Amino acid sequence: EAGVAQSPRYKIIEKRQSVAFWCNPISGHATLYWYQQILGQGPKLLIQFQNNGVVDDSQLPKDRFSAERLKGVDSTLKIQPAKLEDSAVYLCASSFDGINGETQYFGPGTRLLVL
Amino acid sequence: GQNIDQPTEMTATEGAIVQINCTYQTSGFNGLFWYQQHAGEAPTFLSYNVLDGLEEKGRFSSFLSRSKGYSYLLLKELQMKDSASYLCAATRDNTGKLIFGQGTTLQVKP
Repeated sequence: EAGVAQSPRYKIIEKRQSVAFWCNPISGHATLYWYQQILGQGPKLLIQFQNNGVVDDSQLPKDRFSAERLKGVDSTLKIQPAKLEDSAVYLCASSFDGINGETQYFGPGTRLLVL
Repeated sequence: GQNIDQPTEMTATEGAIVQINCTYQTSGFNGLFWYQQHAGEAPTFLSYNVLDGLEEKGRFSSFLSRSKGYSYLLLKELQMKDSASYLCAATRDNTGKLIFGQGTTLQVKP
């Protein structure tokens, strides 16, 4: 079974530029999560999708971050414009149907450096 | 509110036993996950506890006390490859949402 795929793996941009990350979850997984992991910290949930609907985006900085999952499979996360404090690893995870106690499977992440 | 605490760093010797503690204060608490994360890699699932008590899985065991808001991960017969960050994460309100602690970086020395 293929795991969660993410691209690019690394990205370096200057502040005020825009950037987009892509995630392809495990086949058949209805729930998709985007996390931000700053160096030395645990992952923080940015947004959770159930199929193509948003379940939780309470910690997404909506003035600069946006995410979509139009067909309920792949997802993109965008930052526009980027700030220095956005430097982090952006992890995508998926689970079968997002119920309590279900294991989330993580992708390798995209490492973003904002200069 | 929610607060999850775990030690930042720990060091142990190859072949030994180490216990990594995690305390939580999470409203609507459901259960507690432990994930392992090697440097530069994605977190991988280790265990999930929803009931009080100890769950053993090979060299790794995880314990939960709901009344004390406390969990630990026990690693036996440590190997060099166990050097990694160990993340505890709580679930709440019957959702799949994970609230992570900051992670404990374990260094295993020969």
